[in-house]
Parts: sequence; structure tokens; C-alpha cells
Amino acid sequence: AQSVTQLDSHVSVSEGTPVLLRCNYSSSYSPSLFWYVQHPNKGLQLLLKYTSAATLVKGINGFEAEFKKSETSFHLTKPSAHMSDAAEYFCVVSEGAGNNRKLIWGLGTSLAVNP
Amino acid sequence: DTGVSQDPRHKITKRGQNVTFRCDPISEHNRLYWYRQTLGQGPEFLTYFQNEAQLEKSRLLSDRFSAERPKGSFSTLEIQRTEQGDSAMYLCASSPRREETQYFGPGTRLLVL
Repeated sequence: AQSVTQLDSHVSVSEGTPVLLRCNYSSSYSPSLFWYVQHPNKGLQLLLKYTSAATLVKGINGFEAEFKKSETSFHLTKPSAHMSDAAEYFCVVSEGAGNNRKLIWGLGTSLAVNP
Repeated sequence: DTGVSQDPRHKITKRGQNVTFRCDPISEHNRLYWYRQTLGQGPEFLTYFQNEAQLEKSRLLSDRFSAERPKGSFSTLEIQRTEQGDSAMYLCASSPRREETQYFGPGTRLLVL
């Protein structure tokens, strides 16, 4: 079975500094991987996804993630944090095939951005 | 806005009452998912429809929970005899054919007193 581990439950950065949110996965075959963001009292928004094309994936709001099969990692990065980036971030792997595909969620990383 | 919509956004009810939530997916998305999310946790899968067929139900979904998608468009999630432990955010998502990405609605926050 596939699983997702978000290595940090909380990350705090200063505005204008880089962001790194770490995610490792386990998968028995080529996975599809996603990052979602959830702002307080808001729904989940897709940031980016990897589906076996380019290993460096660019998403919205300046975020990107790199799929590293050798390290089974899919870390999320952003060069310069903005106050509006403060939110909960979820790393997600897609499990199964055909009609049985479903998403396996990490526990989330809370990102705080300090002025 | 043609995103996923959910109604109501907030619901407060007394223990033992029944509640029903509605989800309208993005037009022509054939798959629809329900999740539950409690504070500080990621979403937990509840159930999934492809068109009008309910293809999977989580073991989390007790007999008090029922979901329908009668015409393959909107879906309802009903909780009977609510308990305080049912207090959570209930999220709906939809996906188009041949795509894994799930697009989420804003959620319905349920508080059972």
C-alpha cells in the first residue's frame, strides 16, 4: 500500500526567505503526486501535480516540486515566502488504478510566515 | 464561478438530529468524492461515486451515514442521529474523466452540540 510522510508538522519562515516543505512517499509503482494548500476556513486548492512527465513541476503562486524517484521524495519549494503563503499544505499520492484510484493524504504541514 | 459548491457552508445541530449536505460538482465531472476533515488532520475518505454509482465506502462511514447521487450530478450526504464525534468539516471533490486530480469545494462545517 502507498503512504505519504510529511516530515515536518510545522514550518516557520521569514517573509522573503525560501520555503521547503518535505514529503516522502512509498509506492509500489509509478505514483501520481500532488500538493494541495488549505488556507484557514477555506477549501483545498491544488498547487501542483506530478504525473510521470517532467520531474520538476511548477505550480501556482511560485511554488514548485521535484520528483526524485531515488529518494522517494516530492519536496515543495518556493524561493521567497509571502505572508499570504501561510496555510496548511498537504502532500498526496494517488493509489490504485482505474475506478479504484483514490488519494492518500499526508498529515499536513502548517506553514507560518513571519514579517 | 464554475467550481465545486457545497451547501450549507456551516451547520449547527443538536445531538440526535439528522442533517443533510449537498454538493454540486464541476459540470461534466463524472466522479464525486466525500471526505471528512477534523481539526489538525488531513481529509479522510468517506465515499466515492462514478456517475450515479457509489463505488466505494470507507469503513469510517457508519450506518448512520448515507450518500446519494441519483442523477449523476449533485450529491447529498445525510447523517442520521448525529453525535458530537460527527463534528468536522465535510468536503466534496470532483474529477473529470481520465484525470486523477480532485477539485474541492469549500466544505460544510458541522458542529454537533
